[in-house]
Amino acid sequence: DAKTTQPNSMESNEEEPVHLPCNHSTISGTDYIHWYRQLPSQGPEYVIHGLTSNVNNRMASLAIAEDRKSSTLILHRATLRDAAVYYCILNRFEYNFNKFYFGSGTKLNVKP
Amino acid sequence: EAQVTQNPRYLITVTGKKLTVTCSQNMNHEYMSWYRQDPGLGLRQIYYSMNVEVTDKGDVPEGYKVSRKEKRNFPLILESPSPNQTSLYFCASQRREAFNSPLHFGNGTRLTVT
Repeated sequence: DAKTTQPNSMESNEEEPVHLPCNHSTISGTDYIHWYRQLPSQGPEYVIHGLTSNVNNRMASLAIAEDRKSSTLILHRATLRDAAVYYCILNRFEYNFNKFYFGSGTKLNVKP
Repeated sequence: EAQVTQNPRYLITVTGKKLTVTCSQNMNHEYMSWYRQDPGLGLRQIYYSMNVEVTDKGDVPEGYKVSRKEKRNFPLILESPSPNQTSLYFCASQRREAFNSPLHFGNGTRLTVT
């Protein structure tokens, strides 16, 4: 089975960039890398995803290693609202098969 | 508003009393799935459904049942709940035409089995 490994917690200062790492050494060639975040008392919320190339959207950037065995979620300027648990996930699918493999998440604390 | 709706949000029950947690989505998504979230274990997939009448086991299916009789609904059934099923449960949906599309999650159901 696929597996992702993340640090349990990280801390950042407000308005500074944050780099959240994820290792996924068991990734297979067609697995997509997803990142979600979860605020207290809410369901996970989509942040970004990618396959091989680096990706940017309005929330964050995703940097994927060339061998795809690790990735980094980049929040360019952390705000207090970015304090959450961030999950790195592998999405493995075929025609009749679609599974998501969650890591245990990184709790991000943002200091004012 | 596009959303995944779970009910109830909170449920306290006793061992052995059958219960159903409902999940409904209004985005016409083919794919739906159930997860449980436990401290230190993150989210684990229970069951998923690729489309109507098509379901399959996830990583922790023991003690659970699901059905998918129509596209919008995917209920989770606990025929005989036990205390080790005390957990936070999430339902999610995804467009099938683009499996690399985001998962949309509900707000969760906190279940306590005494």
